Amino acid sequence: AQKITQTQPGMFVQEKEAVTLDCTYDTSDQSYGLFWYKQPSSGEMIFLIYQGSYDEQNATEGRYSLNFQKARKSANLVISASQLGDSAMYFCAMREREYSGAGSYQLTFGKGTKLSVIP
Amino acid sequence: SQTIHQWPATLVQPVGSPLSLECTVEGTSNPNLYWYRQAAGRGLQLLFYSVGIGQISSEVPQNLSASRPQDRQFILSSKKLLLSDSGFYLCAWSVGTGGGNQPQHFGDGTRLSIL
Repeated sequence: AQKITQTQPGMFVQEKEAVTLDCTYDTSDQSYGLFWYKQPSSGEMIFLIYQGSYDEQNATEGRYSLNFQKARKSANLVISASQLGDSAMYFCAMREREYSGAGSYQLTFGKGTKLSVIP
Repeated sequence: SQTIHQWPATLVQPVGSPLSLECTVEGTSNPNLYWYRQAAGRGLQLLFYSVGIGQISSEVPQNLSASRPQDRQFILSSKKLLLSDSGFYLCAWSVGTGGGNQPQHFGDGTRLSIL
């Protein structure tokens, strides 16, 4: 089974509107971390936001917020007030065994969602 | 501030030729270092990671290898490239100590085409 599922291959949003990008994950670990990255057409991966499994509050970073629903194992990214520069691929990723010191440094990535912002 | 440099940006190589991609990090010490490959339209696949000089962990068996000759230098190599080695290769670093909330920071990537 896939560990990270992003069910939306592509999304369109009108400029200045909010958009939600879906991410569900699968883990049996109690300690894990969830990350969102943005990849513009130029290729670099840009870190956006992080949510730890024990964090009680949803993470926010500027226009980005993470709608974390632990029981549903979902970690959706919400982008408010979309801008043309937000057009990119967005990847959800998970790190398991976060705090155990077991040395698991892997990030498992989803297949991504291509977001297109329409002027 | 920390920066990561990866080169070359683009590379076209014939099948069977050797490969060397280099990645260096500045502004931090003892980082964790990673090599990923991204196939067209896909997510990232971890190839190698390193927690210290000379310490390499391989996640996917293949004809690629990695080395870390210096603290902030990570090299991806191959003796004989295959067509299936084509892809977008990304180097990344993260803080070596501390909590698991540390993100990985990526270089600009190398687009490798095998002919």
